[in-house]
Amino acid sequence: SYELTQPPSVSVSPGQTASITCSGDKLGDKYACWYQQKPGQSPVLVIYQDRKRPSGIPERFSGSTSGNTATLTISGTQAMDEADYYCQAWDSSTNVVFGGGTKLTVL
Amino acid sequence: QVQLQESGPGLVKPSETLSLTCTVSGGSINNYFWSWIRQPPGKGLEWIGYIYYSGSTNYNPSLKSRVTISVDRSKNQFSLKLSSVTAADTAVYYCARDPLFYAFDIWGQGTMVTVSS
Repeated sequence: SYELTQPPSVSVSPGQTASITCSGDKLGDKYACWYQQKPGQSPVLVIYQDRKRPSGIPERFSGSTSGNTATLTISGTQAMDEADYYCQAWDSSTNVVFGGGTKLTVL
Repeated sequence: QVQLQESGPGLVKPSETLSLTCTVSGGSINNYFWSWIRQPPGKGLEWIGYIYYSGSTNYNPSLKSRVTISVDRSKNQFSLKLSSVTAADTAVYYCARDPLFYAFDIWGQGTMVTVSS
C-alpha cells in the first residue's frame, strides 16, 4: 500500500521559517495537500494541488514538490501556527492516503 | 457557507455496526465527492472511503470488507456503516467534502465514537 512519511516533530523560533516534508514514491506525479489541526479542532486545508492556497489562508503558508517529496513552508512563523500538520495524496488506485503527521512547535 | 454535521451514537458495542450520518447544510450535495475520515485518540488521520453524489463509492482497502457509504440526495445527507466493530474502531469520525481538488476543503466538527461493552 502507498505510504506518506513525515517527520514526527519540527521546531521553529517565532519569525523564522518552518519546513515540513512529506515523502512518498513518485509523490511529484500526484497532487499533494496539507492540513493544519489544532488540539480539539477539525483539520483545516492550508495547501492543495501542491501549491495552491485556499481562500483565507495566510500567504506565509506555501507548498512545493520535487521528486518524491512535498514540502510545506511557513514563513515568519507565528505562535498561532503551532499545530499538527498532515500531508495527503491520492495513490494510483484512487485511494486517499494521509501522512502520519508532524507536530510543529514554535518556541 | 457550507457546513457539515455528523450525527449518530457515541457508544457502540463490540461486534455491532457503527452508523453515522453527515448532513450538508448551506449548499448542495451534488457535484462533489464526500468522504468519511477517522482519527483514533492521540493518533493520525485515516481515510475510510468516499462517495460521489451520483452514488459511486471507493473504500480504504484495509476497511473495505466492513464499510458501506451511501447518499440520500433528497435529504442532502450521506452515511457511513462500519460493521463488526472492535475497540480499534474507537475514534473521532469526520465527514468532509472534496470539490474535485484532490483535497478536503470542508470538514465537519467530528463525532467521537467509542466501542465498548
